[in-house]
Amino acid sequence: AQKVTQAQTEISVVEKEDVTLDCVYETRDTTYYLFWYKQPPSGELVFLIRRNSFDEQNEISGRYSWNFQKSTSSFNFTITASQVVDSAVYFCALSEAGRTGNQFYFGTGTSLTVIP
Amino acid sequence: GAGVSQTPSNKVTEKGKYVELRCDPISGHTALYWYRQSLGQGPEFLIYFQGTGAADDSGLPNDRFFAVRPEGSVSTLKIQRTERGDSAVYLCASSPGLAKDTQYFGPGTRLTVL
Repeated sequence: AQKVTQAQTEISVVEKEDVTLDCVYETRDTTYYLFWYKQPPSGELVFLIRRNSFDEQNEISGRYSWNFQKSTSSFNFTITASQVVDSAVYFCALSEAGRTGNQFYFGTGTSLTVIP
Repeated sequence: GAGVSQTPSNKVTEKGKYVELRCDPISGHTALYWYRQSLGQGPEFLIYFQGTGAADDSGLPNDRFFAVRPEGSVSTLKIQRTERGDSAVYLCASSPGLAKDTQYFGPGTRLTVL
């Protein structure tokens, strides 16, 4: 079973529009960590944010904001006033504290295209 | 400071050949991870090192894949008898070592098996 689901494969928006990328996760651990990464066309995964399962406060960083809701097992990412430079593939990932491997489980990614 | 580096950036080989992919992690990071990313997919876990030892190799697809980290820093992913299905981008990441820690990724090695 997929531990992280990103149902939106591709999204296109016009510059300055807001866009929300969805992420739904599945875990039996009570302690876990959620991450978002950006993968621009250059290919390198760039870390955006980390959240632990005990902190449900929403977070805002500039034009980026994240909505973590344990009740729905979701960790959604919103970009406000999108820009062309936001065009990339965005991945949501889960790390479970109970596993010795500490591996990340990644979703399949959402490809965002911002049209000028 | 220096990030995670990987060499080569691109590797083209013929089916049946042996390849080695190298990862140089962030200095001081005890944990090192290898992932494989196929086109249109998210990274898939291969193997995790804590120090010199492979703490979890459950993601290695078969015994043609092997990885080492002899001195607890640089790691080499080795693929024997390569197959066309091995073509992918191989990503390396490092972290301080705990589940809560952010993993920092290298630029990847694009492997193409002809």
